[in-house]
Amino acid sequence: DSGVTQTPKHLITATGQRVTLRCSPRSGDLSVYWYQQSLDQGLQFLIQYYNGEERAKGNILERFSAQQFPDLHSELNLSSLELGDSALYFCASSSTSGSSYEQYFGPGTRLTVT
Amino acid sequence: AQSVTQLDSQVPVFEEAPVELRCNYSSSVSVYLFWYVQYPNQGLQLLLKYLSGSTLVKGINGFEAEFNKSQTSFHLRKPSVHISDTAEYFCAVSGSTGGFKTIFGAGTRLFVKA
Repeated sequence: DSGVTQTPKHLITATGQRVTLRCSPRSGDLSVYWYQQSLDQGLQFLIQYYNGEERAKGNILERFSAQQFPDLHSELNLSSLELGDSALYFCASSSTSGSSYEQYFGPGTRLTVT
Repeated sequence: AQSVTQLDSQVPVFEEAPVELRCNYSSSVSVYLFWYVQYPNQGLQLLLKYLSGSTLVKGINGFEAEFNKSQTSFHLRKPSVHISDTAEYFCAVSGSTGGFKTIFGAGTRLFVKA
């Protein structure tokens, strides 16, 4: 158990809909990262937040947005969903924002868009 | 910018045999290197990391990796694998100066056969 929690574990929704994925980092960790894992694209970095501020951006679509709240939990919002958005979405956390630090991954949310 | 190439998508090996999972990276700056493991239906967890110093890094579960700057490689090795090592292994790189992104390779599926 990494200490990172993600809800829900599974989500099935239709094209065009909007969903919110939630992540609670390990106690004391200030950085939260979001990744998308799919069979064809592998593990893709989406976005990082540190203590409430956006720190780094990866291949995140404009239809996707994220935020980190004062209690350090984070939400990833996916809108106008397409079939291709079906994937496993991971949240990870680390103690600081530095790139040398280990990231602790949650169990993921499996999103299926039908 | 950094990139990571994992040269083998799948590696089948018999139990108790040695294994090497290959990883090459490219970067214009000094790097930090990581190997993560993902067991079925779980998130990623850190096996080992190289930040600086000794080029031979020992990790959990008997794995080790060697940083070779001239060949820009960070291959993962284990002298004797177990059935329980069956998993997906990801090599990752991040820059030691500027930027906070960690880039993951496409993954290598290690399949240990009895």
